[in-house]
Amino acid sequence: EDQVTQSPEALRLQEGESSSLNCSYTVSGLRGLFWYRQDPGKGPEFLFTLYSAGEEKEKERLKATLTKKESFLHITAPKPEDSATYLCAVQAGYTGNQFYFGTGTSLTVIP
Amino acid sequence: NAGVTQTPKFQVLKTGQSMTLQCAQDMNHEYMSWYRQDPGMGLRLIHYSVGAGITDQGEVPNGYNVSRSTTEDFPLRLLSAAPSQTSVYFCASSRDRGYGYTFGSGTRLTVV
Repeated sequence: EDQVTQSPEALRLQEGESSSLNCSYTVSGLRGLFWYRQDPGKGPEFLFTLYSAGEEKEKERLKATLTKKESFLHITAPKPEDSATYLCAVQAGYTGNQFYFGTGTSLTVIP
Repeated sequence: NAGVTQTPKFQVLKTGQSMTLQCAQDMNHEYMSWYRQDPGMGLRLIHYSVGAGITDQGEVPNGYNVSRSTTEDFPLRLLSAAPSQTSVYFCASSRDRGYGYTFGSGTRLTVV
C-alpha cells in the first residue's frame, strides 16, 4: 500500500538550533517528492520538488535531500518565522496522477 | 496576481443539502485538483483535471462531482452533504502534474 510517513509529528527548536525533518515513503513508481510549508489557516505553500535519489535543493535556511526510501528537510539556524507545519507529498503511479501527502511536522522555533 | 481563489471561505450545511465550492485560477495552469484536509489524515485527493473537459477521480471521490468547462474554473459539487464531509477543502493548480501546486486559501465546511 502506498504510504507517506513524516516524523517527528512536532518539533520545538531554539532559534539557531539546526535540525532535520524526515519523510519516508513506500510507493509504486515514484515520480517526484514535494515539500510544502503550511501556516495556520492557510493553504500549503510549495517549497521544493525532488525527482531522483541523490538530488538536493536549497532555499534560504532550508535544504531538501532525497534517497530511495526517504527525504530530509534540513533547517539550518532556524528563526521564529520558520515556525509552520511542513508537509511532504509524493507523486506516484503509472500516469503520475496519484499524489499522497504525509500528515506533516509542526515546527515551533522559540526566540 | 490572484493565484488560486476559493469561495466561500466558510460554510455550514445541513445534512442532505447540496452546494458548490468555487475555485478559479488566473495562471493558465492546465492541472487542477481538489483536496480535503482532516486532522491526523493529511491532504487527500478528491478529484483532479489535466485540462478543460478532462476530469478523473482521486483517492476519496465518493459524494463529490466536478467539471472543467474552462481552463480557469474547477468547481466541486457536494451532492447530498453528510457529516463525514466536514473538512477543510483546498483547490490547487499547477502548470503540469509534475510541478509544485499553488494552493488556494481553503474552504472550511461544516455539515450538521
